[in-house]
Amino acid sequence: GAVVSQHPSRVICKSGTSVKIECRSLDFQATTMFWYRQFPKQSLMLMATSNEGSKATYEQGVEKDKFLINHASLTLSTLTVTSAHPEDSSFYICSARAEVGRYFQPQHFGDGTRLSIL
Amino acid sequence: AQSVAQPEDQVNVAEGNPLTVKCTYSVSGNPYLFWYVQYPNRGLQFLLKYITGDNLVKGSYGFEAEFNKSQTSFHLKKPSALVSDSALYFCAVRSDSGNTPLVFGKGTRLSVIA
Repeated sequence: GAVVSQHPSRVICKSGTSVKIECRSLDFQATTMFWYRQFPKQSLMLMATSNEGSKATYEQGVEKDKFLINHASLTLSTLTVTSAHPEDSSFYICSARAEVGRYFQPQHFGDGTRLSIL
Repeated sequence: AQSVAQPEDQVNVAEGNPLTVKCTYSVSGNPYLFWYVQYPNRGLQFLLKYITGDNLVKGSYGFEAEFNKSQTSFHLKKPSALVSDSALYFCAVRSDSGNTPLVFGKGTRLSVIA
């Protein structure tokens, strides 16, 4: 159980393109979803936290107009990298957690999206 | 503020030997502690967690971890390492107070040599 599906797994596109990444919880309702960015040989950097039906909370230094997050339902969150540039190239990973109040539940992760901007 | 320290960037162990990956944490309130494993170009897979109760926690693939409150540690262990255990391991902590995200350590790369 507790499967998180992330799509696409890899994107290669030209500079200036906007890229949408989808994150779905397949067998549970994810009240809270998280978006992380991982640089080579480094840990995960939390970008933003989104709760279903409300605006995402962005971490300091993350541009909300650059990284648009929508958590439209209890099973789907999307991250759109707008007008992507080479410095946005990275490995993006989504994570989901079930049920408000049950904070001891582990976060479950998607398989990540490797974004390469040419 | 919450933080996690994984003091070793790399751990090398021979197949069949016991392994330990170290983790210490800092958190206000009581900690919820987690271990995850990451294989190349994949997301993180949940291994085990400590919430409350018995300090020795058993998880997936034969891994276990021991919560030590006085030393604020949560080291990951396995009695007999396999080559297939080679991966990147992350320790994470969250406070039990409020809807806070997990805070991750920087990761430890485990190499099991045949």
